[in-house]
Amino acid sequence: GIQVEQSPPDLILQEGANSTLRCNFSDSVNNLQWFHQNPWGQLINLFYIPSGTKQNGRLSATTVATERYSLLYISSSQTTDSGVYFCAVEYGNKLVFGAGTILRVKS
Amino acid sequence: GAVVSQHPSRVICKSGTSVKIECRSLDFQATTMFWYRQFPKQSLMLMATSNEGSKATYEQGVEKDKFLINHASLTLSTLTVTSAHPEDSSFYICSARDGRPLGYFGPGTRLTVL
Repeated sequence: GIQVEQSPPDLILQEGANSTLRCNFSDSVNNLQWFHQNPWGQLINLFYIPSGTKQNGRLSATTVATERYSLLYISSSQTTDSGVYFCAVEYGNKLVFGAGTILRVKS
Repeated sequence: GAVVSQHPSRVICKSGTSVKIECRSLDFQATTMFWYRQFPKQSLMLMATSNEGSKATYEQGVEKDKFLINHASLTLSTLTVTSAHPEDSSFYICSARDGRPLGYFGPGTRLTVL
């Protein structure tokens, strides 16, 4: 099956700092999504990005499908950005999740 | 936007009892629903995929007789954990799709088996 690897596994930022999260995948995929899981467990879809670049406020994402990776950029981080960030790839009819990046933003 | 609900949000039960978790798509018809399990500090693992009116397809290692999935309508899927044991304690999350690529996730159900 497909392997989805995220890095770094943990990240601590000072409020206001920028960060880049990475997602590597081992095979061609139909689509890729980035999620934020809040402290209550709710998964919030951030980007649906099979290729190219998208921006939404302080967040942006880039997927280079030919090189099998995606990046999530968080700029001017806020404490409310804390939580777990997952990338998930659609492989066949299934969504396969990476292990996640735990982000903690300190004030 | 599309909304998926789960009920209950939290349940505590005794070992040996069965627990039913409901997943509903509130404003769209879900042709496919997925059930995931998430252990503390771990990622989401797909348990099974169900299409309305069909038997669920279970992932390798998931006991279909223990985790009964019913997708009887286009807006409702249920997961029943039969004869629950403490090792079944986990966070269960459903996802629903209406045929488009994007799926929508429910808020999750935290199951604790004593």
